[in-house]
Order: sequence, then C-alpha cells, then structure tokens
Amino acid sequence: GNSVTQMEGPVTLSEEAFLTINCTYTATGYPSLFWYVQYPGEGLQLLLKATKADDKGSNKGFEATYRKETTSFHLEKGSVQVSDSAVYFCAPYSGGYQKVTFGTGTKLQVIP
Amino acid sequence: NAGVTQTPKFQVLKTGQSMTLQCAQDMNHEYMSWYRQDPGMGLRLIHYSVGAGITDQGEVPNGYNVSRSTTEDFPLRLLSAAPSQTSVYFCASSYSKIRGHYGYTFGSGTRLTVV
Repeated sequence: GNSVTQMEGPVTLSEEAFLTINCTYTATGYPSLFWYVQYPGEGLQLLLKATKADDKGSNKGFEATYRKETTSFHLEKGSVQVSDSAVYFCAPYSGGYQKVTFGTGTKLQVIP
Repeated sequence: NAGVTQTPKFQVLKTGQSMTLQCAQDMNHEYMSWYRQDPGMGLRLIHYSVGAGITDQGEVPNGYNVSRSTTEDFPLRLLSAAPSQTSVYFCASSYSKIRGHYGYTFGSGTRLTVV
C-alpha cells in the first residue's frame, strides 16, 4: 500500500502570509492526490484534488501542485486568513480498490 | 441536508460495555468506511464496505464489528470496550472506486471515551 509523510506542524503564520504544506508519498504508479481540511471539532472536508502529474487543483484560493519526479505534492495559498486555521491532510490514491492512505495531518494556525 | 450523519457525537463507556456507533448516508454511495483518529497517528481504517452485504477489514479491525444490510447504513459495534478504543471515530462514504475516486464525504465524528 501507499505510505505518506506530511510535514510536521504546527505551522504558525501571520494573516496574509504565504502558505506551503508539503507531502511526500511512496506508491505504485502515479496516484491521484487529495487534500482534506479539518476545522476544530468537525469532520474532514474534501478541499481539492489533482488527478495527473504536473496538474494543479485549486479551490478557495488553495492550490495543489503535484511533482511526479519527486513523488511529492504541495498545498499552497498566497494569502492565508485566520479562518484557514485548521488541520490539513494529504491523501494519495492509486486507483482501483486500493485503499486511500491519509497523512498524519499538518496543523495550521493563522494569527491576526 | 445531504451527507453523512453520525450518532452519537459524544459517548463515555465503562470498560467492558458494548455499544454501536451509527452512520447513515443519503447520497447512494456504494463505499462506506470507518476510521479512528488519534493524536499523532492520523486516520486509521477500521472496516470498510463496498456495497450492501459486503464488508472487509482495514488496518485496525480488532475489537470492532460491522455489517452492511442496506446501502444507507453502516454501523460500527464495539463488543467489549477497552481504554485503547478511546478515540474520535469518523464514518466516510464515496461512490464505488471502480467509477473513479472523487473523494470521501465524512461525518462529523463520534468522540468516544472508555474509562
């Protein structure tokens, strides 16, 4: 199965700062990637996905960049807000009936 | 509102007690699964189902049972609760992966404490 390594948090940023969260994986083939966000006290929500190498998914100002040559992908946002404070999970998926593997999550704290 | 509904939201059990965590979805998703979330360990898959009448084990199935008699419901049973089962439990659903995977819809979770 896949294994996933996420950068450890917490990541603390000031409002309007640039955000990058890294995620590396080992998998067979080239998986699709998914990013989920978990706000305090809630379940995970699908944030965005990218389905092919060098593709960029985007949603709510976030972008996912996928680099197959380094088996890594990154979540980025140009200007974070306090409301972006949450835990972010990456989850590669390799197709078929294979299970989705979640990273351990990266906690983001945005301070005013 | 369409989605995944989990009940209860909070539960305290004594060691050895049994209980069932409920999960229901109204999106006609074939795939349903249970995860537990523990600090520093991310999400770990307990059991999953690819359709009514079909279930299988995930990576941490011991101490848990599941069944899937309908497409909508996927309850998780703890037969004899142990303190190691203190965790936050999430139910997630999706369309069958054979159609292509488009991401999971998660419930809001059940926070379980076993004393």
